[in-house]
Amino acid sequence: QVQLVQSGAEVKKPGSSVKVSCAPSGGTFTFSTSALNWVRQAPGQGLEWMGRIIPILGTPDYAPNFQGSVTITADKSTNTAYMELNNLRSADTAVYYCAREEADLVGAPFDKWGQGTLVTVST
Amino acid sequence: DIVMTQSPDSLAVSLGERATINCKSSQSVLYSSNNENYLAWYQQRPGQPPKLLIYWASTRESGVPDRFSGSGSGTDFTLTINNLQAEDVAVYYCQQYYSTPRTFGQGTTVEI
Repeated sequence: QVQLVQSGAEVKKPGSSVKVSCAPSGGTFTFSTSALNWVRQAPGQGLEWMGRIIPILGTPDYAPNFQGSVTITADKSTNTAYMELNNLRSADTAVYYCAREEADLVGAPFDKWGQGTLVTVST
Repeated sequence: DIVMTQSPDSLAVSLGERATINCKSSQSVLYSSNNENYLAWYQQRPGQPPKLLIYWASTRESGVPDRFSGSGSGTDFTLTINNLQAEDVAVYYCQQYYSTPRTFGQGTTVEI
């Protein structure tokens, strides 16, 4: 069964950047026409959608709260999606998830999730 | 943006009893062209990523026990867990995928 596998935990200094990867493993799905979403979960908090990219289209779509601070990209040749968060602050300490959304004219549920990547921002 | 509001924030249910979670969207997530509600429910156990339980408001994901059911349309939705089991202790989220930004409810914690 296809899973999404994310890169490992990171510890970063305030003001730096972090780049998290997400790729399917154990099978394939139509990566280039699926939407790869990124969701943040701060400690003890709920789920917050950051943005997404449909690799075949290439243009990401960001939540207003993250516009300007996050960059989402995808590499169709390696079937890998990336989320880069810049100018990190302690409030960015969270688990970051990628989640797959099948292609649909309007939208689709997030049917596959990565295991999550803990990003800790600390001096 | 569509705001999703769940109630209650938490509830305690005895084993074998029923849990009911409500979700209200600030605008309709019913798409008139196909008469589908773009509403999903997820379960998140401690230390785990969210897991899709229900989509199109009432369709169970493959492998999800039939004690989980979803209902509702337009702006008001319900997740019902019948015959609550110990493994159902989790936080449950509703989510709309009708428009971007995709938005989640704040979560409902189910305890025994």
